[in-house]
Amino acid sequence: DQQVKQNSPSLSVQEGRISILNCDYTNSMFDYFLWYKKYPAEGPTFLISISSIKDKNEDGRFTVFLNKSAKHLSLHIVPSQPGDSAVYFCAARGNYGGSQGNLIFGKGTKLSVKP
Amino acid sequence: KAGVTQTPRYLIKTRGQQVTLSCSPISGHRSVSWYQQTPGQGLQFLFEYFSETQRNKGNFPGRFSGRQFSNSRSEMNVSTLELGDSALYLCASSFRTARETQYFGPGTRLLVL
Repeated sequence: DQQVKQNSPSLSVQEGRISILNCDYTNSMFDYFLWYKKYPAEGPTFLISISSIKDKNEDGRFTVFLNKSAKHLSLHIVPSQPGDSAVYFCAARGNYGGSQGNLIFGKGTKLSVKP
Repeated sequence: KAGVTQTPRYLIKTRGQQVTLSCSPISGHRSVSWYQQTPGQGLQFLFEYFSETQRNKGNFPGRFSGRQFSNSRSEMNVSTLELGDSALYLCASSFRTARETQYFGPGTRLLVL
């Protein structure tokens, strides 16, 4: 059973507009969430993270929102740029016996930002 | 500071063979984790090593193994390769534990024929 879900496999946005990428999780024991960006032929690059004790974290054009009651997080990119076109992975980190912090990833959302 | 490096970048093997992949973490990082990425399953955790010891293991068969050396470099080995092992294998390093932000290498793309 997938513990981290990214239900939109792809998203297309116009340059300058907002991109919103969504992620849902099922395990309430996750204590830390991360977003990674991946270009073809490269490994994922860490983008931004948020602790479960917060509901928002901002870094430049990137903001992550966490809604613990809904077990939902989202990544907002404002304004979107063509260079943001990539696959975005949501990841969650466990804080329970046996998990020891390994990341559980969603299957990714491919973002296309059109000029 | 140099990033995580992985060798080789591409590899073609046939069923039944074995393969060894190598990962050099960021200098000073002591935790190395391995992931398998396939189109159907996404990124899945294989195992984590710290101070030459396997600290955590994902849900993969025993054909998948790894080790870490005293300089924190890590290798993973897959024996008796199957077609389904074709994937991108990613290595990630972090300073002390996998609970910290992990930084990924470019991956090794393995094709099993």
